[in-house]
Amino acid sequence: GAGVSQSPRYKVAKRGQDVALRCDPISGHVSLFWYQQALGQGPEFLTYFQNEAQLDKSGLPSDRFFAERPEGSVSTLKIQRTQQEDSAVYLCASSPGTSGTGELFFGEGSRLTVL
Amino acid sequence: GDSVTQMEGPVTLSEEAFLTINCTYTATGYPSLFWYVQYPGEGLQLLLKATKADDKGSNKGFEATYRKETTSFHLEKGSVQVSDSAVYFCALTRTQTGANNLFFGTGTRLTVIP
Repeated sequence: GAGVSQSPRYKVAKRGQDVALRCDPISGHVSLFWYQQALGQGPEFLTYFQNEAQLDKSGLPSDRFFAERPEGSVSTLKIQRTQQEDSAVYLCASSPGTSGTGELFFGEGSRLTVL
Repeated sequence: GDSVTQMEGPVTLSEEAFLTINCTYTATGYPSLFWYVQYPGEGLQLLLKATKADDKGSNKGFEATYRKETTSFHLEKGSVQVSDSAVYFCALTRTQTGANNLFFGTGTRLTVIP
């Protein structure tokens, strides 16, 4: 597709369930980011991939959060044993290069609600 | 550490009014500065950017100037339209990581009424 695609758009999980969120970046984009956006807040960085290498995971809030990008394209963010505080919109973004001056292209996000 | 302080909203303006949304930053080194916009039901998209001091970014009638002396990057538009109603985020690159990882402000919701 032309843009960054995320699925599912909406996910409701019971506390304790595991969830997996998928991101299809723009074809050929080297960099891929995951952000978490709580209601009324700005996006908060979670993790960064350059191709298949996870270069920065300093924003992952706990070891229940895990991300992968095994072939350097599609990425999955997995949250184990979900808690209510995990409720947020999870945004994926990609960019063609690795420069700090480049534009990030965002998907519409996956809204997770944990009951 | 790096941070962005953004004018709190919400902001409500009449069509054709002048808009300013304030943004100040704290950063080591020389970050690039950005304004992203989120229209209702859509993903974040880049509005404009500036990569060094005194640069002016502009797009769709919006402007912002990278002011190193005041560590500011205020967003302005001379005459807003109803279609400008959205949430606006000021952001900078996290220089410590060396990558284009963005650090965002909390966002300012703008509503323009006819």
